[in-house]
This record gives sequence, structure tokens and C-alpha cells, in this order.
Amino acid sequence: NAGVMQNPRHLVRRRGQEARLRCSPMKGHSHVYWYRQLPEEGLKFMVYLQKENIIDESGMPKERFSAEFPKEGPSILRIQQVVRGDSAAYFCASSPPWTGAEETQYFGPGTRLLVL
Amino acid sequence: AQKVTQAQTEISVVEKEDVTLDCVYETRDTTYYLFWYKQPPSGELVFLIRRNSFDEQNEISGRYSWNFQKSTSSFNFTITASQVVDSAVYFCALISNYGGSQGNLIFGKGTKLSVKP
Repeated sequence: NAGVMQNPRHLVRRRGQEARLRCSPMKGHSHVYWYRQLPEEGLKFMVYLQKENIIDESGMPKERFSAEFPKEGPSILRIQQVVRGDSAAYFCASSPPWTGAEETQYFGPGTRLLVL
Repeated sequence: AQKVTQAQTEISVVEKEDVTLDCVYETRDTTYYLFWYKQPPSGELVFLIRRNSFDEQNEISGRYSWNFQKSTSSFNFTITASQVVDSAVYFCALISNYGGSQGNLIFGKGTKLSVKP
């Protein structure tokens, strides 16, 4: 059973460009989460999605960031007009459907975004 | 407020030593879940253990053991006879149903463990 897949693993963008990060959850998982790890900081929650629905985006910056999890295909985290402060590791996690107890989130290998 | 504190920023030990990584959490909820994840130098996040607030039994898995104490809001992680391959950053995390939210893992800042040969 393949784990959570993220691509690209490394992404370099110049200031003002757009960054698109992709995440394919584990087979059978319908919940996707995005976290950001800034240098010298821990991991911070960004957004929680189910198919075609954003459940919780309380951790998303108000501007330039968006996320989706379409009916078909991977989840996409999109950062428009990137700035140097967006340089970070972005992790995607997935979990099975919620059954009344919090399920374990399994993480992908992350995408390292570097903004020049 | 929900919070996870890992007071030890960095720990360095010599191979075969035992080492304990501390984790203290705060939550107002009575139902919550605690996790440990390992981030080796390669960068991925590896799930180690999940514990719910109703199960205070300690757990042992090979050289790893976890001590969950609700009285002190702690969920400490011990590695026995450490090995160089244990070198990594270890994160403790909390999730609860407070306010009806789901999915929001609260991470500590991590403890960087270096095991020297």
C-alpha cells in the first residue's frame, strides 16, 4: 500500500511566481491535511480537506494561499505571487474517514519550496 | 488553549545510552489524542505512536517506550540503548475535539536527538 505521495519534492520559484504543490493520499484515505514547517519552527496546521470540501482552513494565510481536493485527482496547495517568506517545507498528511475517534494522520515526504 | 511543549531543544547522547524525550501538553478537552512523530535527516515525518486520553497504559515497542501520565499532562518517550539511526528530530503532537474541530494537529517544536557512535 503506497504511502502519501507528494510532488514535487523540491520546488524553486522566483518572487512573484506561482507554486503548486500536489498530494495524493494513501489508498482508502479521504481526509487530507496540509502543514507548513518554517525554518527553526515546528509544524503548523494550514488546512483540512475532504473530497470537494474545505473543512477547516483556520491556519491558511488570508491571501495568496488556496487549497483544493477535487473529486478526482490529488489535493493541490496553491501559492500565488510567492515571496521569500514562503520558503518552507510543506507537508501533506492523510487519514481514513472519521469514525468518531481521531484517526492517525500519515505524512508524505514533503515539498521543499525555495523562493529566490 | 491547546499547546504542546517540548522543553528539550537538543539532546546529545552516546550510543547505547538511554534517553527520554519530554512532552507536556495542555488542553481543556477530556477527549484527546497524543502522537509522536520522527523526522530523520532525510526530512520525512514518520508516525511512531498514537494514544487516546482514556488509555493511560504505558506502551513498549522494541527499544521504544512511552509513559503517559494524565496527572502531570505528560507523554514522555524513552529510547533504550540508543543507536545512531535514532538521530532525528522527534515531535510530540496533540489533537482534540475541543470546539468541534477535527484534523488540527498541534505540534511541539521538536527535540533534536543526536546519537554519537
